[in-house]
Amino acid sequence: GAVVSQHPSRVICKSGTSVKIECRSLDFQATTMFWYRQFPKQSLMLMATSNEGSKATYEQGVEKDKFLINHASLTLSTLTVTSAHPEDSSFYICSSPSGGTQETQYFGPGTRLLVL
Amino acid sequence: RKEVEQDPGPFNVPEGATVAFNCTYSNSASQSFFWYRQDCRKEPKLLMSVYSSGNEDGRFTAQLNRASQYISLLIRDSKLSDSATYLCVVNHQAGTALIFGKGTTLSVSS
Repeated sequence: GAVVSQHPSRVICKSGTSVKIECRSLDFQATTMFWYRQFPKQSLMLMATSNEGSKATYEQGVEKDKFLINHASLTLSTLTVTSAHPEDSSFYICSSPSGGTQETQYFGPGTRLLVL
Repeated sequence: RKEVEQDPGPFNVPEGATVAFNCTYSNSASQSFFWYRQDCRKEPKLLMSVYSSGNEDGRFTAQLNRASQYISLLIRDSKLSDSATYLCVVNHQAGTALIFGKGTTLSVSS
């Protein structure tokens, strides 16, 4: 099946720094990429939807100036957490739909972010 | 109220037991339904899609009741390797984001 890679898998950073997370589709064109966040013992919550070549759409309560999303090509979408704070510590995960009538979503392996 | 509600558990069962998970969803316009499995610190993996007619995959049986907006998962003959969090997931439309429940934790012991 299709594969989505995600890097880094883990990152520890100091408060105030920025962290970039990359998701790449390895064998298909990811026109759309969903970015989710999962806090401990919570559900995956959609943060934003990125579409190649256009601006991302953000869910209510997600600051677009803090979580910068770029989807410049059909195989790469990035999420940058700017000026990270400890409350941004979470599991960030991307997914892309397969398209077609038999809907499948391909997930990246996730990035665990810890902000000190 | 959350759009997808699940009993978080944990469900602690011995090997060989049968265990059932339930889930309700609030949006009657939801079109697709799934059970995903998530292991600790990993991405969710599709376990099975859920259809109104009910569907079975080996030891796993899923059922959807659209009238009551209720989804179930039955696991028979539990194995140690079934220990994980099971996520009830709905989708409003193909190509849109999935909506996840909090998950139900299953722990199978020998």
